[in-house]
Amino acid sequence: EVQLVESGGGLVQPGRSLRLSCTASGFTFSDYAMNWVRQVPGKGLEWLGFIRSKNYGGAADYAASVKGRFTISRDDSNSIAYLQMNSLKDEDTAVYYCGRGWRPRSDVWGQGTLVTVSS
Amino acid sequence: DIQMTQSPSSLSASVGDTVTITCRASQSITTYLNWYQHKPGKAPKLLISVASSLQSGVPSRFSGTGSGTDFTLTISSLQPEDFATYYCQKSYSPPLTFGGGTRVEIK
Repeated sequence: EVQLVESGGGLVQPGRSLRLSCTASGFTFSDYAMNWVRQVPGKGLEWLGFIRSKNYGGAADYAASVKGRFTISRDDSNSIAYLQMNSLKDEDTAVYYCGRGWRPRSDVWGQGTLVTVSS
Repeated sequence: DIQMTQSPSSLSASVGDTVTITCRASQSITTYLNWYQHKPGKAPKLLISVASSLQSGVPSRFSGTGSGTDFTLTISSLQPEDFATYYCQKSYSPPLTFGGGTRVEIK
């Protein structure tokens, strides 16, 4: 079964950092781009960024809203994608989801992990 | 960057109704447009890719049309499990922007 499980969420103070993990199973992780999106309470889905597979160069792209603060990386040997979040703000409070794939579709998503930024 | 605009932002409908949601891109995205269903606390679910291709296992009451800048998701004969929020997303070049979402509520 194809599965994505996010972890690493929790309560963090403003200005601190947090790293989320997305552990994949049931497919050849290295073949796929991996996305991160979030949903702020009461708002819609917001795409944060993705990292290409090594076959497509392995580079990452980001939404303007998080570029420079968030970094996406991947560990193909352990089938894990990461979202490193620095200088966290109250408005980063959200459920964070990872998703598999890029062009033409992101077809599998995890159930999300909650990040609460509060003092 | 290309902006994605969905309408309406919410609608009320009854079981058995036909519902239409539109998504407009600020520039042509050919057919690189996907539709998702999202329920609270659940993973987003891909319904339709490349504007009109129904994903395996998705009921045939869901359909998508469009190309260029204008796209439509239609749900025929709405079922109780279809009450959710629906999003379009452009899928070719980053940023892979979502539309603002359409919440489908029970009338």
